Amino acid sequence: DTGVSQDPRHKITKRGQNVTFRCDPISEHNRLYWYRQTLGQGPEFLTYFQNEAQLEKSRLLSDRFSAERPKGSFSTLEIQRTEQGDSAMYLCASSRSRTETSPLHFGNGTRLTVT
Amino acid sequence: GENVEQHPSTLSVQEGDSAVIKCTYSDSASNYFPWYKQELGKRPQLIIDIRSNVGEKKDQRIAVTLNKTAKHFSLHITETQPEDSAVYFCAALSGGYQKVTFGTGTKLQVIP
Repeated sequence: DTGVSQDPRHKITKRGQNVTFRCDPISEHNRLYWYRQTLGQGPEFLTYFQNEAQLEKSRLLSDRFSAERPKGSFSTLEIQRTEQGDSAMYLCASSRSRTETSPLHFGNGTRLTVT
Repeated sequence: GENVEQHPSTLSVQEGDSAVIKCTYSDSASNYFPWYKQELGKRPQLIIDIRSNVGEKKDQRIAVTLNKTAKHFSLHITETQPEDSAVYFCAALSGGYQKVTFGTGTKLQVIP
C-alpha cells in the first residue's frame, strides 16, 4: 500500500522563516487536497487541485500561503514569514475522480511548530 | 459555503453499549457524507460513507443514516469496544469542485 506520503513529518522553525512541505498522493489519484488541523479541531480546508490546476483556495488562507502541483503529481505547500499561529498539523489527502465520489485518503501529516 | 456542525464534542459509553454521533450540514447541494476515525497522533481514516441517494448504510457494527430533508446525518456504533475509542469526524462534500468540509469532531471514550 503506497498511500499518501508527506515530508517532513515534523518541522520546527523560528517566526519569520519560510517553510515548504511536500505531498506525494496515491499514484492514480488526480485530486489533491491540503488541510490544516489544530488540536481538538476538525481538518480545515486550505486548497484543492485537480491534476495541476488549483481549483479552489480557502478565503481564510493568507497570501503567505502558496501551493503548487506541477505536472499533476506531487504537491508543495509553502508558508512564508511564518507566524506562531501557523503552528498546526498540515494534512494532505488525495482522491480519484470518477462518476461516483471517491473518498479522501489522508497522509500522516506534517506537524509545524513555529517558535 | 458549507457549514458542518457535530455533536456531542465528547462521548463516554460503557463497553458493549451503543454510541451515536450527530451532524448537520447547511448546503442542500451536498451529496456525499463520509465519516473518519482519527486515533491520537494518526491520520484520519475513512470508516463509512453515504451518498445522498440512500438513507442508511451499514457495515458490521457501524451504521450511518441520512435525512436530506432535515439536512442531518448520524453515525451509530453498536456493541462498542475499547478500540473504538478515538475522535470521529463527519464531513460533507459540496459543489462541483468536490470540496470536503469537516465537523469539529467527537471524542469517543469506551470504558471497559
